[in-house]
Amino acid sequence: LAKTTQPISMDSYEGQEVNITCSHNNIATNDYITWYQQFPSQGPRFIIQGYKTKVTNEVASLFIPADRKSSTLSLPRVSLSDTAVYYCLVAGDNNNDMRFGAGTRLTVKP
Amino acid sequence: DSGVTQTPKHLITATGQRVTLRCSPRSGDLSVYWYQQSLDQGLQFLIQYYNGEERAKGNILERFSAQQFPDLHSELNLSSLELGDSALYFCASSPQGGVNTEAFFGQGTRLTVV
Repeated sequence: LAKTTQPISMDSYEGQEVNITCSHNNIATNDYITWYQQFPSQGPRFIIQGYKTKVTNEVASLFIPADRKSSTLSLPRVSLSDTAVYYCLVAGDNNNDMRFGAGTRLTVKP
Repeated sequence: DSGVTQTPKHLITATGQRVTLRCSPRSGDLSVYWYQQSLDQGLQFLIQYYNGEERAKGNILERFSAQQFPDLHSELNLSSLELGDSALYFCASSPQGGVNTEAFFGQGTRLTVV
């Protein structure tokens, strides 16, 4: 199983760009990288998913280098409402084990 | 609203008892996942079902069991409950059995064992 490592916590200020990096050294060929956001007492919510290079949607970008051993979630111009726990998940068709790591607790300050 | 419905929202029960948590996936989703989240802890993957069959197993205790019915709803049974089983239990669903698709989570069932 691909184990993921993320920073435990990060602080930022409103309007800044936040980059959260996840390490996954033993990612498998068929694995995808997915990021979820979770607010207290709520279920996680899908943010973005990618396989390689760069993926962008309306809320975030995901950067994946060629070796795929890490990935970076980029949140542009964060607001107070982006304060949450962010999880990096690595899994694929040959690995249906959707195990989440410890997550990164992001705190956005005014 | 994710489209995934979990019932009940809250449950209080005594040690040694048995409870059943229910999950209705999004319409058309074949895969159901169960997770346990203790206070200030991460999400612990318990088990996955795909179209009625067990697909993957995580850190699920022997006292816990689950099943997915022909109408695709799923139930998680927790027996011989202990204080340490108090947690939020989440259900998620996705269209297929692979994880290269977005999973949608319900709002969870908060279980308190007293």
